[in-house]
Amino acid sequence: AQRVTQPEKLLSVFKGAPVELKCNYSYSGSPELFWYVQYSRQRLQLLLRHISRESIKGFTADLNKGETSFHLKKPFAQEEDSAMYYCALRAGGSTLGRLYFGRGTQLTVWP
Amino acid sequence: ETGVTQSPTHLIKTRGQQVTLRCSSQSGHNTVSWYQQALGQGPQFIFQYYREEENGRGNFPPRFSGLQFPNYSSELNVNALELDDSALYLCASSDPRWPANTGELFFGEGSRLTVL
Repeated sequence: AQRVTQPEKLLSVFKGAPVELKCNYSYSGSPELFWYVQYSRQRLQLLLRHISRESIKGFTADLNKGETSFHLKKPFAQEEDSAMYYCALRAGGSTLGRLYFGRGTQLTVWP
Repeated sequence: ETGVTQSPTHLIKTRGQQVTLRCSSQSGHNTVSWYQQALGQGPQFIFQYYREEENGRGNFPPRFSGLQFPNYSSELNVNALELDDSALYLCASSDPRWPANTGELFFGEGSRLTVL
């Protein structure tokens, strides 16, 4: 069965410090991995997808199939990065709208 | 281009009652999926509708049902409400047609249901 684990419910860093939000998954096939973000008073929105291999707002995430991880990283956190971050997985061959979400990590960046 | 809209934003029901939640998909998106998000948890997939038919369902009982209309809008119906149904219900739309198919889901702001 598919499962996404985000071990940290809360994460706090100071502005300018590196930040890493952890995500591990359980799935035997080839997954698609996503990071979604929810800023205060805004709706859930896509931050980045592993297949894009792009950096969004300074964030990157690399899919490590050996460790079944998809950690989100940013070298220098900014106050505007404070938000709720969800890691999500789509199983291969699954319907487009079916994602498995982790419980989320609330990131706070202090000034 | 309008985003995903949901109604109502908040509602309170009692156990045993029935509820209908509504969702208008983003312009041009023909696929709608519904999620339940309990407090402190990530969204959990309920089901997806494509071309007015359910084409994927999560681990939810049959009292959770839905509809999709020709204009791609959708309804989520929950019968015989239980206390544990209290949650935020999210609707998301997507476009499976290539090249628009990026796999991205566009979420609404949700309907918060409280069951007393």
